[in-house]
Amino acid sequence: GQNIDQPTEMTATEGAIVQINCTYQTSGFNGLFWYQQHAGEAPTFLSYNVLDGLEEKGRFSSFLSRSKGYSYLLLKELQMKDSASYLCATMDSNYQLIWGAGTKLIIKP
Amino acid sequence: GAGVSQSPSNKVTEKGKDVELRCDPISGHTALYWYRQSLGQGLEFLIYFQGNSSPDKSGLPSDRFSAERTGGSVSTLTIQRTQQEDSAVYLCASSLALTGNYGYTFGSGTRLTVV
Repeated sequence: GQNIDQPTEMTATEGAIVQINCTYQTSGFNGLFWYQQHAGEAPTFLSYNVLDGLEEKGRFSSFLSRSKGYSYLLLKELQMKDSASYLCATMDSNYQLIWGAGTKLIIKP
Repeated sequence: GAGVSQSPSNKVTEKGKDVELRCDPISGHTALYWYRQSLGQGLEFLIYFQGNSSPDKSGLPSDRFSAERTGGSVSTLTIQRTQQEDSAVYLCASSLALTGNYGYTFGSGTRLTVV
């Protein structure tokens, strides 16, 4: 079957670094997406990985290992506005997006 | 338009009534998805359209749900004989392509409450 796993909730301190992990099992693979969703708002696109390795975009980086079915989102220099849910999604061979339930990230001063 | 537009933003309806939700994707975006999200839950896939291909309806929860996309642009999700369990936020997303580093742009959603 198809499955995406990510932690339900994480807590981190302002200014610190946090890594949100995502493991997946899908029928075929056409890339992995990370989205940010603030409470009551729509998800917004953060990153896309289709090849192994690290993609860096400012304070956010995303890593993919296809052989391990594993990705992580790394957030550096955390700010209070980073408090949100982070959604991992993979695209399977039918170009279907399979979504994780999201990780709620709580930032403390 | 500049983004994905959904209407109405909020809808309260009585159980048993039909509702119609509208999505205007970004101009030129060929892929369009409908999802629903219950409070504190992940995204539940409903249906997706890609260009002129037949839509993938595999996520529609029952035959009370249907969707169409006219002229490859505007899409309408219809729920007939609404039930209380249909209460959720219905999100529409569009993309320039099925994959690649484009991401999907989401609308602000329609919050449906069935009373």
